[in-house]
Amino acid sequence: ILNVEQSPQSLHVQEGDSTNFTCSFPSSNFYALHWYRWETAKSPEALFVMTLNGDEKKKGRISATLNTKEGYSYLYIKGSQPEDSATYLCSGSGGSNYKLTFGKGTLLTVNP
Amino acid sequence: GAGVSQSPSNKVTEKGKDVELRCDPISGHTALYWYRQSLGQGLEFLIYFQGNSAPDKSGLPSDRFSAERTGGSVSTLTIQRTQQEDSAVYLCASSLTWTGGASVYGYTFGSGTRLTVV
Repeated sequence: ILNVEQSPQSLHVQEGDSTNFTCSFPSSNFYALHWYRWETAKSPEALFVMTLNGDEKKKGRISATLNTKEGYSYLYIKGSQPEDSATYLCSGSGGSNYKLTFGKGTLLTVNP
Repeated sequence: GAGVSQSPSNKVTEKGKDVELRCDPISGHTALYWYRQSLGQGLEFLIYFQGNSAPDKSGLPSDRFSAERTGGSVSTLTIQRTQQEDSAVYLCASSLTWTGGASVYGYTFGSGTRLTVV
């Protein structure tokens, strides 16, 4: 059974602040690590998928890193904007080649 | 279709009534999943379909929950005799072929059905 843990559970920042969240997962039987952004009343949107130790991905002001040996991933947001407010979900597929297991998410609120 | 479509988007039902939630996945995605998120909880896996078969139903919380998929496309999740603890957002997702598909490609999600049992 794969346990995906995310921290913090929630976060309030001011517009313009940079922030980061953590996702930890068991490092054994690892396939891939996925980050999603879920805005209220919308579909969760895929941000990144990472598979290799040391992977770094970037999309605009958002970036992510992966350490499969120690079992964690960081998501960074530079210069947060109110439109970044959402729940950020991390999922891993360790031990399964067909199913993703999600953490509880980090709820980010960016105040203007 | 272009995306994963779920209906209804919101459903309020009385305790004890049956409800049906519908999911129309992306055309060509053979894998289909149902998850739910209850208040304060993470996304909880319910069931996985490969084509019309459900090789993993391990997340269905009780025998009041059932799901089917027809024509390798539309899926229906049915909850009988709803209880207040069934209140949640029910998400459907689809993915490319199951052989390593979801683990590498991830899912495309629908926007969910918010179920409220009163």
